[in-house]
Amino acid sequence: QSVLTQPPSVSAAPGQKVTISCSGSSSNIGNNYVSWYQQLPGTAPKLLIYDNNKRPSGIPDRFSGSESGTSATLGITGLQTGDEADYYCGTWDSSLNAGVFGGGTKLTVL
Amino acid sequence: EVQLVESGGGLVQPGRPLRLSCTASGFSFDYYGMHWVRQAPGKGLEWVSVISWNSGSVVYADSVRGRFTISRDNAKNSLYLQMNSLRPEDTAFYYCVKDRGMGTAMAGLTYWGQGTLVTVSS
Repeated sequence: QSVLTQPPSVSAAPGQKVTISCSGSSSNIGNNYVSWYQQLPGTAPKLLIYDNNKRPSGIPDRFSGSESGTSATLGITGLQTGDEADYYCGTWDSSLNAGVFGGGTKLTVL
Repeated sequence: EVQLVESGGGLVQPGRPLRLSCTASGFSFDYYGMHWVRQAPGKGLEWVSVISWNSGSVVYADSVRGRFTISRDNAKNSLYLQMNSLRPEDTAFYYCVKDRGMGTAMAGLTYWGQGTLVTVSS
């Protein structure tokens, strides 16, 4: 069971918007920055969002992040079939003194 | 171009040791914290360990503490994971990962290697 809670799956049609939630606690999301990762099938994860809402260079602005209290959200607009992947949130947990990830959310673009 | 190349994975019997290596290029290796993250086949990501830029601080997941040792050689741009007393539940792809920061938190895992598969089985 993961420290951070994500929905197992989400789906939406091409061109639409989807959000993926990540729920934690005061020891992780509540006091540390959240990052988001995209893992395309058969590949290593890739950083999409860091510091709750910042995008590395090369990541399109269709991807956005937000944080409120002990939860974080990844938003993807203008969905493309190439966005089908597993998405993970991650952060540091100050009580566990360890890195933690959500269980992952599989995005299907119908 | 940043590259992280892991090696050392393979099939190992329970209780035996294995050492993973990661060679880094394309960035100033000695400026950044480095992590190992693993992923069992078909499962989610599990954080394993982190080492600060100067090896002054290391942190382990509870599941590996006392069995695994992370280390680095900045002169060789290399990261290591010594894994002892391996268990079947350690079977996973092991990724070498660069952090955005220098320390031992997770400031954002910017670059990932391609992973090396460790299979623990008799």
